[in-house]
Amino acid sequence: KQEVTQIPAALSVPEGENLVLNCSFTDSAIYNLQWFRQDPGKGLTSLLLIQSSQREQTSGRLNASLDKSSGRSTLYIAASQPGDSATYLCAVKNYGGSQGNLIFGKGTKLSVKP
Amino acid sequence: SQTIHQWPATLVQPVGSPLSLECTVEGTSNPNLYWYRQAAGRGLQLLFYSVGIGQISSEVPQNLSASRPQDRQFILSSKKLLLSDSGFYLCAWSMGEQSYEQYFGPGTRLTVT
Repeated sequence: KQEVTQIPAALSVPEGENLVLNCSFTDSAIYNLQWFRQDPGKGLTSLLLIQSSQREQTSGRLNASLDKSSGRSTLYIAASQPGDSATYLCAVKNYGGSQGNLIFGKGTKLSVKP
Repeated sequence: SQTIHQWPATLVQPVGSPLSLECTVEGTSNPNLYWYRQAAGRGLQLLFYSVGIGQISSEVPQNLSASRPQDRQFILSSKKLLLSDSGFYLCAWSMGEQSYEQYFGPGTRLTVT
């Protein structure tokens, strides 16, 4: 059974710092991995999607990497800003599971202090 | 561009009352549709998904049901709510292929009292 773990559960950094959020998964047989952002009381915003054949994806100040063999992904945020404060979720889509079933981690709550 | 709508945004219902949450998608056709629940302190859990009109798959046994009466409309229902049904309900869509991204709606906060 696929399990997704995100460490740390919460992170507080001063504005301007570069930071890394971690995601690990137990079963490497995945289609892809997706990073989301969730603001309090809001839905999820898709940030980056990495296919199983890819090593990384970049969007602006965000860079996500995937090491499928070791079951790890990282989300790198450069030059953090207070507006980056949110909960960041990673999710994997398994081979062989029900179609479209994303398995989510519990998230990392990020707070960027001005 | 595609947009996804959910309503209502918030709902407070007594135990034993019925439930109907609606989700619609604009700007695409024949999407896969999903209902997730996010309970306090827990991760998101897939409840139902649909690959076409009238085609519903259930992931978790519960007193909830889902229907897809139109291509871009997905409804989550219950005949009698339980306290444990409280949570944040999220609808999502994706293109049919497994490798495509899922996009989420704004969510409905349900409180069962």
